[in-house]
Formats: sequence, C-alpha cells, structure tokens
Amino acid sequence: DQQVKQNSPSLSVQEGRISILNCDYTNSMFDYFLWYKKYPAEGPTFLISISSIKDKNEDGRFTVFLNKSAKHLSLHIVPSQPGDSAVYFCAASYGDTGTASKLTFGTGTRLQVTL
Amino acid sequence: EAGVAQSPRYKIIEKRQSVAFWCNPISGHATLYWYQQILGQGPKLLIQFQNNGVVDDSQLPKDRFSAERLKGVDSTLKIQPAKLEDSAVYLCASSLESRVKTQYFGPGTRLLVL
Repeated sequence: DQQVKQNSPSLSVQEGRISILNCDYTNSMFDYFLWYKKYPAEGPTFLISISSIKDKNEDGRFTVFLNKSAKHLSLHIVPSQPGDSAVYFCAASYGDTGTASKLTFGTGTRLQVTL
Repeated sequence: EAGVAQSPRYKIIEKRQSVAFWCNPISGHATLYWYQQILGQGPKLLIQFQNNGVVDDSQLPKDRFSAERLKGVDSTLKIQPAKLEDSAVYLCASSLESRVKTQYFGPGTRLLVL
C-alpha cells in the first residue's frame, strides 16, 4: 500500500524556468510533510517541510504548497538551476509521540534541469 | 558539524553470507534510523532507536536482520544470511529526538548480493 505517491518518475525543465514536483498521499493522519533531495551516491538531504496547519511554506527558491482536501502537495523551484538536477523525494509523518518522526517516502521524481 | 557517517560505502557478498553495516549519527542526536532503499523506490524504515532503545522495528525482517545501538550512539545493522532481494542501499539517519521530524541522512551503504 503506497501511502505517498509521486506519479512522475522524471521531469525535465529548462534552466531559469519553474520546476513543479507533485506528491499525493492517501493517509489522512499525515500532518507533516517534507521534501528531500538526493544526488547520486549520496544520502537524501532535507530541503523544506510544511505542517498541515499551513498551506504554503517558502524558503528562497523553494516553495511547498499543501492542499489538504485534495491530499496533494507540490514543490516549486523558481528559477531552476542545473545544480537542482537530482532525485526529489516527498515524505510524510504524523503524530507527536515517539514514532512521530517516522517518515513514509514516495518513490521519487528525477529532475533534470537543462541549459 | 560532522554529518552522519556510515561504513562501508560498498559491499558485495554471496547469498547466504552475513554482512554488517556501521553508523555514527550526528553528535547529540538521540534518535537513529535505518532505512532500506531498493532501486527505484523510496527509503523504507527498518528500525528506529531512541537512545539505545527500540521505538519501532515493525518492518524489520527479524528472521535475518538485526540491529543494535548499545551505548546510545553508534549503531550496527546486520543481515544473516543475506538473500538476493537484500540488494539495496542501506541508509542511516538521525534526528535530535523522536518527535523532531527532520532527519539527517548518511551517504548510505550500497549492498549487492550475488
């Protein structure tokens, strides 16, 4: 049962344009969402997160939007740069007890930013 | 600040052999996680420690996988005996404590079982 889904395995965007990566989830208990970026042969690196009490969080070129009614979130990168080329994972968690930090990951979207 | 360290980075073994992976989390991080990432999939949590106690090991195949964090710092993950389907990247992550949701990952150990 894939509770976090990233339906686009890959995305190609021109440098300077906007990259939009999408993520859908099925578990309505999820209350915290994170995006991780992964380069080859490295571990995932935390990028940005959002709590379910918000619908938008911005950090520099990165903005995450959350639509709770649609159980959908998206990551916008503006403007896209060649160094953004990586695999992006969406992750979700819920609760505030000892297992609150347990993350459920999507399958990832490979972003290629072309010159 | 040093990140999460893992070793070895790569390991090739024959099926039915045993293998062990080591992880040193970020200093001061009480919570440590081991993930398995199979090619084309997202990381899947195997086990979560809070200090030296297990918080969640519901997805750890306990007939062949074991993990320990004896002094609440370093951790080892062992597979014995290995199967072909264990070929994956094994990622270690840490967070300040179990309610802090941002985890920091190490570079991973890539295991190939032949």
